[in-house]
Amino acid sequence: EVQLVESGGVVVQPGGSLRLSCAASGFTFDDYAMHWVRQAPGKGLEWVSLISWDGGSTYYADSVKGRFTISRDNSKNSLYLQMNSLRAEDTALYYCAKDIAGGSGEHYFDYWGQGTLVTVSS
Amino acid sequence: DIQMTQSPSSVSASVGDRVTITCRASQGISSWLAWYQQKPGKAPKLLIYAASSLQSGVPSRFSGSGSGTDFTLTISSLQPEDFATYYCQQANSFPGFGGGTKVEIK
Repeated sequence: EVQLVESGGVVVQPGGSLRLSCAASGFTFDDYAMHWVRQAPGKGLEWVSLISWDGGSTYYADSVKGRFTISRDNSKNSLYLQMNSLRAEDTALYYCAKDIAGGSGEHYFDYWGQGTLVTVSS
Repeated sequence: DIQMTQSPSSVSASVGDRVTITCRASQGISSWLAWYQQKPGKAPKLLIYAASSLQSGVPSRFSGSGSGTDFTLTISSLQPEDFATYYCQQANSFPGFGGGTKVEIK
C-alpha cells in the first residue's frame, strides 16, 4: 500500500524558515517524480514544486521560486521542502504527492499524503 | 503560465442526475489534463488522467473528454458519495489547477 506521510508543519513568523518532510513507502521511491502541492484554508489547490526521480531536475511555481527548495533522499525514501523567507500568503496545508511517472512529460498525481499545516503569523 | 478556468464554480444536483463540469485552458494542452475529487478534510483523489483515462478503482460513471483547450468531466448518475469539490489540472512541467467546482445536494 502506497503511503505518504508529511511532517514539519508549525506556526512560524514572517521571514522565518521551515523544512517539511515526506516519508514514502509502498512503492519504489526512486522510480517516480514527486511534488509538493498546497491548499490555503478554504481555497483551491496550488502546485508548488516538482523533483524528478533522480533529483536532477526541479521546477517551482513563480510564487515560491527563489525562496523554496525541493530535494529528495532516495536512500531514505524521503522528500523535502526547504521554505525560506516565509510570508503570510504561504499559510496552507502542504501535500506531498507522487507522480504517475518518472519525471518527464506529463505530470499527474496518483497518491497524496494527508498534508501538514504551515501557518505564517506573528 | 497556462490558466485553467472551471465552470460552473458550484452546481446543485440530485442523486441520479447527470452532471457535467467544464475546464478551459488558456492555451492548447493536447490531452494533458487530469480531474481530481476532494472531500472536506481529505486529500484530493485522481479520477481521470490524459483527459479520458479512468484511474484504477474509479467507478465507470466518471468519464472525461476533450483535447486542446476544452475539457469535460461527466458523472453519468450522481451517487451520494460523489458530493465533493472537483478540480481540473493541466499536466505540463509547471502543473496548474482550475479553481474547483463544488457539487452540492439539491
